[in-house]
Amino acid sequence: SAVISQKPSRDICQRGTSLTIQCQVDSQVTMMFWYRQQPGQSLTLIATANQGSEATYESGFVIDKFPISRPNLTFSTLTVSNMSPEDSSIYLCSVWDRGPDTQYFGPGTRLTVL
Amino acid sequence: GEDVEQSLFLSVREGDSSVINCTYTDSSSTYLYWYKQEPGAGLQLLTYIFSNMDMKQDQRLTVLLNKKDKHLSLRIADTQTGDSAIYFCAEKGSNTGKLIFGQGTTLQVKP
Repeated sequence: SAVISQKPSRDICQRGTSLTIQCQVDSQVTMMFWYRQQPGQSLTLIATANQGSEATYESGFVIDKFPISRPNLTFSTLTVSNMSPEDSSIYLCSVWDRGPDTQYFGPGTRLTVL
Repeated sequence: GEDVEQSLFLSVREGDSSVINCTYTDSSSTYLYWYKQEPGAGLQLLTYIFSNMDMKQDQRLTVLLNKKDKHLSLRIADTQTGDSAIYFCAEKGSNTGKLIFGQGTTLQVKP
């Protein structure tokens, strides 16, 4: 199974600032995903990051707020821009493993916005 | 559309069996999954079942799938305090190919 790491593991940020979260995978993967988990809630898909093309965003999420980079097949970043307290969440990176057809998650980045 | 429902809370005594239930709507789902989330941690894939199977057993875990009723369950035998966590059921949507998660069931194990 893929091993996924994220940096930072947690951060406390001021309103109006931006934070970039890094996701590193130990193997090459085609598709990487970014999720948000608000306090006490389930997971919501933010976007799908494909190498060599722009990310595909889900309804309610826009590139200006959550720009994503995917420079190669093992790395991606998610930036949370112009943060407000409502952005306080856990942000999780995820990848598919096609053999078997399973999805693995990183440890998450716990973000608190004051 | 695609939707997954779970009960929110389950409390059991250590040593008992736990059964966490899930219902889903997409009858064309190919895979169904169970994830575990411990406090402050990410999601750990516990087990999964292919839609042409009725049951899958993996050590203390048993997954039962009733396709007719679109019902999935996770049984944890001899539940331990270390099993206390949130358990998420998820299906892979046949239309989108994306994971659809339930709300999560918080399992509390009392000593």
